[in-house]
Amino acid sequence: DTGVSQDPRHKITKRGQNVTFRCDPISEHNRLYWYRQTLGQGPEFLTYFQNEAQLEKSRLLSDRFSAERPKGSFSTLEIQRTEQGDSAMYLCASSSTSGTGDEKLFFGSGTQLSVL
Amino acid sequence: KQEVTQIPAALSVPEGENLVLNCSFTDSAIYNLQWFRQDPGKGLTSLLLIQSSQREQTSGRLNASLDKSSGRSTLYIAASQPGDSATYLCAVRGGANSKLTFGKGITLSVRP
Repeated sequence: DTGVSQDPRHKITKRGQNVTFRCDPISEHNRLYWYRQTLGQGPEFLTYFQNEAQLEKSRLLSDRFSAERPKGSFSTLEIQRTEQGDSAMYLCASSSTSGTGDEKLFFGSGTQLSVL
Repeated sequence: KQEVTQIPAALSVPEGENLVLNCSFTDSAIYNLQWFRQDPGKGLTSLLLIQSSQREQTSGRLNASLDKSSGRSTLYIAASQPGDSATYLCAVRGGANSKLTFGKGITLSVRP
């Protein structure tokens, strides 16, 4: 168990550019979540996958955001035409469904995005 | 829509003090509740998870309780240490296939 891995740790980009982040979940976990966090706020849900299926997507997520998990393992989050308001920490988490109420989320260290 | 509130936003205590962090939620129909710790610029570390059928969970100096009917949870930290300084976040899940909804967190500072 190597934990949830996110890459890159930091990304600085200019407004209007596209960026892509990668998340590698804990290997046996079938669920993968993306959250966004700004300073002083709790994480805000973006989307989640069970295996390769995207089961829920936040209404706050504009069309510029897209996420994939093509083989049910790693996931990518792409932001097109970045805006300054996209500057935030992007957190990935994974879990294993148990059906017994004890499903814990394990988070990665996040990708800090700064849009200039 | 579930809303999670954590008050106060910040707390400063002297080392050795026992303390309680509060979390309240608006919809009592939850599946589970999880407490996390976050150090500055880092991801979240899971501390304790309480299932909806449970009243409390303990891990070392930490004890979390859940009162679903009143929409409240508390995280008790015994004999606080400077290393406990961090932000503590509470999050609730509405169902087995639901997302976690987070509070804004409480930033704890333990003074030596």
